[in-house]
Amino acid sequence: ETGVTQTPRHLVMGMTNKKSLKCEQHLGHNAMYWYKQSAKKPLELMFVYSLEERVENNSVPSRFSPECPNSSHLFLHLHTLQPEDSALYLCASSQDTAVGYNEQFFGPGTRLTVL
Amino acid sequence: AQSVAQPEDQVNVAEGNPLTVKCTYSVSGNPYLFWYVQYPNRGLQFLLKYITGDNLVKGSYGFEAEFNKSQTSFHLKKPSALVSDSALYFCAVRDITGSGGYNKLIFGAGTRLAVHP
Repeated sequence: ETGVTQTPRHLVMGMTNKKSLKCEQHLGHNAMYWYKQSAKKPLELMFVYSLEERVENNSVPSRFSPECPNSSHLFLHLHTLQPEDSALYLCASSQDTAVGYNEQFFGPGTRLTVL
Repeated sequence: AQSVAQPEDQVNVAEGNPLTVKCTYSVSGNPYLFWYVQYPNRGLQFLLKYITGDNLVKGSYGFEAEFNKSQTSFHLKKPSALVSDSALYFCAVRDITGSGGYNKLIFGAGTRLAVHP
């Protein structure tokens, strides 16, 4: 176990549904990340939160909405998704300083299927 | 632009033989380099990192990586492969073009390692 948990592990949703992915880290880290992993594509960084403030948003469609209520929890709210959004969504956390070379710890991911 | 490349989609090796998974990078300034492994239906697990110092870095599960500045490479190695090492391996480099205070990584496309009995 890496100290980062994600729920649910699997999610099937229709294009009109609204759902949320949850991530929790038990490591006392100050930065959290959402990644999208699609088959045969490099890992895509979606959002970064540092000290609960969003510091990066990599041109992600507005149908994905992140939320970081505190340093231990990160959510990804989903609405009106498209089939091409089907992927493994990974959460990660790290303890970061201005130097920034600490490794990220990943959760097991949520396998999302959009019908 | 900063980037990392893993030239092999798949590496096949017999159990007990040494293995190498290749990674090359392109960065401005000093590189911070990482290796991660992903087993089926799991997230990525950290194996090792190079920040500074000794060019040979030792990590988890008997893996090591050699930093070569002149060749801009950071190849992952293991002296004797196990069937259980079969997984997807990712090389990553810290992206310094982002703002400070967090560790933004650029990942390679991944190399699938298959170790045969």
